[in-house]
Amino acid sequence: GENVEQHPSTLSVQEGDSAVIKCTYSDSASNYFPWYKQELGKRPQLIIDIRSNVGEKKDQRIAVTLNKTAKHFSLHITETQPEDSAVYFCAANIPGNQFYFGTGTSLTVIP
Amino acid sequence: DTAVSQTPKYLVTQMGNDKSIKCEQNLGHDTMYWYKQDSKKFLKIMFSYNNKELIINETVPNRFSPKSPDKAHLNLHINSLELGDSAVYFCASSQDHGVQGYTFGSGTRLTVV
Repeated sequence: GENVEQHPSTLSVQEGDSAVIKCTYSDSASNYFPWYKQELGKRPQLIIDIRSNVGEKKDQRIAVTLNKTAKHFSLHITETQPEDSAVYFCAANIPGNQFYFGTGTSLTVIP
Repeated sequence: DTAVSQTPKYLVTQMGNDKSIKCEQNLGHDTMYWYKQDSKKFLKIMFSYNNKELIINETVPNRFSPKSPDKAHLNLHINSLELGDSAVYFCASSQDHGVQGYTFGSGTRLTVV
């Protein structure tokens, strides 16, 4: 099966700085890579995703990049705000199969 | 309208008891899942189920069993609860095995005392 690794496990940034979270995957058959944000006490919610036929996708302050050759993908948050503080999960999906989630990154944005 | 709803939101019970958590989705999705989130926030797949196939994570004890009365419901039954079962359990649903992402329920915090 797929193995997804996520780094770092914790990340603290000053408000206004950028945050980067990185994930690697093992199965080249994976073709869909979503990112989820989980605020304290709430459910994980999809914030952005990317498919294997695209190298980069951007939505306002968040962007995701994918390097299929190296089998890694990253989440970039610019101009961070306190409300960005949450646990972020990456995931990889093999067609016809379940998601494989990373171990999560706890992001703290310091005002 | 809540897309994926779970009940109860909180469940406190004694060791050895049997309990159930219910999940319903109104998105018309064909696949439903149960995930366990432990104190370290790891999301571990327990089951995935659609009309045709139940996939069980081999690490899940057989005290846990999914029950699906219809396509929109996937309930989780737990027998002989143990202290280590304490966690947050999330139900989720997707279409076509997640080609457009999962929608998670709000979670059930289970505490075994």
